[in-house]
Amino acid sequence: AQKITQTQPGMFVQEKEAVTLDCTYDTSDQSYGLFWYKQPSSGEMIFLIYQGSYDEQNATEGRYSLNFQKARKSTNLVISASQLGDSAMYFCAMRGHYNQGGKLIFGQGTELSVKP
Amino acid sequence: EPEVTQTPSHQVTQMGQEVILRCVPISNHLYFYWYRQILGQKVEFLVSFYNNEISEKSEIFDDQFSVERPDGSNFTLKIRSTKLEDSAMYFCASRGWDGDTQYFGPGTRLTVL
Repeated sequence: AQKITQTQPGMFVQEKEAVTLDCTYDTSDQSYGLFWYKQPSSGEMIFLIYQGSYDEQNATEGRYSLNFQKARKSTNLVISASQLGDSAMYFCAMRGHYNQGGKLIFGQGTELSVKP
Repeated sequence: EPEVTQTPSHQVTQMGQEVILRCVPISNHLYFYWYRQILGQKVEFLVSFYNNEISEKSEIFDDQFSVERPDGSNFTLKIRSTKLEDSAMYFCASRGWDGDTQYFGPGTRLTVL
């Protein structure tokens, strides 16, 4: 069975510093996709960044980057130069089998608080 | 930029009543999903839909739930007889044929009294 684990329920970071949010996954598939979503207090789910299992380079999107370590089955999100608006819940997710519709399986989330 | 929309943003209903949650996916997307998030918990998959039929459904998606794409733009989730434990945020998401990324709507907060 596929599984996503986020072991940090809450994290604090000082404004302008970098922070790493951890995520490990378990799957027997060779082809899979990994995602990070941000959920601010208003509740919407905002897509941040994606990493395909066959991508050799770590994904980057602006201030967001992934530290993808396939052998360790981890995909940690790095947010550089934290801003107050980064305070939110962050969810790691994995795409399930395409023949089952490609559902997303989510971790428990990490609540990030950025201090001024 | 195209986006997924959902209506209503908040629905309050009495236990046992039927509710219909509506979604308009991104126009050229082909794969559609419903997820729910009970307050303070993680997001859980309910159902995926492609080519006018369900691709997969979770254990949560029992006979009280149904989905429909009544026209070329809307995607609905119906709960026939709501229970207190159905209170949650319900998210619709859609995905194009050429990518992995699912884009989520803003959600409908359902409160069952």
